[in-house]
Amino acid sequence: DTGVSQNPRHKITKRGQNVTFRCDPISEHNRLYWYRQTLGQGPEFLTYFQNEAQLEKSRLLSDRFSAERPKGSFSTLEIQRTEQGDSAMYLCASSLGLAGGPRVADTQYFGPGTRLTVL
Amino acid sequence: AQSVSQHNHHVILSEAASLELGCNYSYGGTVNLFWYVQYPGQHLQLLLKYFSGDPLVKGIKGFEAEFIKSKFSFNLRKPSVQWSDTAEYFCAVNGGLIRTGRRALTFGSGTRLQVQP
Repeated sequence: DTGVSQNPRHKITKRGQNVTFRCDPISEHNRLYWYRQTLGQGPEFLTYFQNEAQLEKSRLLSDRFSAERPKGSFSTLEIQRTEQGDSAMYLCASSLGLAGGPRVADTQYFGPGTRLTVL
Repeated sequence: AQSVSQHNHHVILSEAASLELGCNYSYGGTVNLFWYVQYPGQHLQLLLKYFSGDPLVKGIKGFEAEFIKSKFSFNLRKPSVQWSDTAEYFCAVNGGLIRTGRRALTFGSGTRLQVQP
């Protein structure tokens, strides 16, 4: 399977615990994105990396959220002190990053997501 | 701030009926537009996209969409739906890439399509 992969697929945790999700992008894709999707809504953007640099962050990404992509390959999203409102599907996407430059559009390909339930 | 409206939340059609799903966005500058589909139990998949050029774009599985700049719309169409088209459809917009370099997609809330055999 050469698509975007995410682990774990499901995570159940108690309020106040920390959780970490992993995303492996499509090979050779240098852009990686995190989104959150709640029931009945479309995905909402959280953050975006170009290689290891975090270039965009949404206001949704509170201080309890941190994302990293240390070697420009896989990425992790950590949520500290989870709250019930954090329950959602966390989606990762990647895009190729064409040689045309930083302002050239490309297509984001999504992974299966990690479903987080905070009890 | 950008926003995307999908006015049809739930659509029920019989097989062979024609489909049109509405998508309107709010952004006055250059936009990149997408339709994604999520089949039951599967992840989001790209149906089609518009970056520039011919405003009528064709995607996979017989879908097409038309970008009408004056109406800020990017409606999805299919002349004859099949039971296998049962899924949730999301319209997404990226505006401001050229001006600001921002790549975030703004999604609509989705339209659930149910095709009855």
